[in-house]
Amino acid sequence: EVQLLESGGGLVQPGGSLRLSCAASRFTFSSYAMIWVRQAPGKGLEWLSSINGDGGVTYYADSVKGRFTVSRDNSRNTLYLQMNSLRAEDTAIYFCCKSKDFGDSLPQWWGQGTLVTVSS
Amino acid sequence: QSMLTQPPSASATPGQRVTISCSGSSSNIGTYTVYWYQHLPGTAPKLLIYSNNQRPSGVPDRFSGSKSGTSASLAISGPQSEDEADYYCAAWDGSQKVLFGGGTKLTVL
Repeated sequence: EVQLLESGGGLVQPGGSLRLSCAASRFTFSSYAMIWVRQAPGKGLEWLSSINGDGGVTYYADSVKGRFTVSRDNSRNTLYLQMNSLRAEDTAIYFCCKSKDFGDSLPQWWGQGTLVTVSS
Repeated sequence: QSMLTQPPSASATPGQRVTISCSGSSSNIGTYTVYWYQHLPGTAPKLLIYSNNQRPSGVPDRFSGSKSGTSASLAISGPQSEDEADYYCAAWDGSQKVLFGGGTKLTVL
């Protein structure tokens, strides 16, 4: 069964930075696009970013474009989300997701999530 | 458009069939396929339907999906108590982003 384990969440001050990681296993990581989705407290799911299998194509939601950067290290089977200029409204559970194929941007499999809290 | 449109809530008894709608536009649902997810708070969301009407292995056949034009629907035939959850539709949009619906909270009476 696919395993996705997010880490790197925590408490950060407004304006600060944080890097989330997602360790993937039990599938051929480089063959699948990966996705980040978040859920703010009391809110619905919000897609943030997608990256294709070789990392050559990325997409971002308007809400994070220019502040967040998605990347992947296929040699380490790890997905990253670098988050800069964090705001209170970025407080959420962040989910790492695997897609159905190399270039698909919709989630097939989800991790358990990691909590990011932006507060002074 | 920043979000697909879903009703905030739905309810059904175990013997009923309940449908959850998802409305979009020609740039998303009208062109691309629709996915449906089930989410119990505190857990990882689960893919229920992909490509409008395809069920991943392990998803009960009481769940079904359909699409017509710029709208899609998720149907649950004879919902069970464990189906009480939040349900989300999602689709790719031609502006190069993924749109989720706002979510529908299902109550099984």
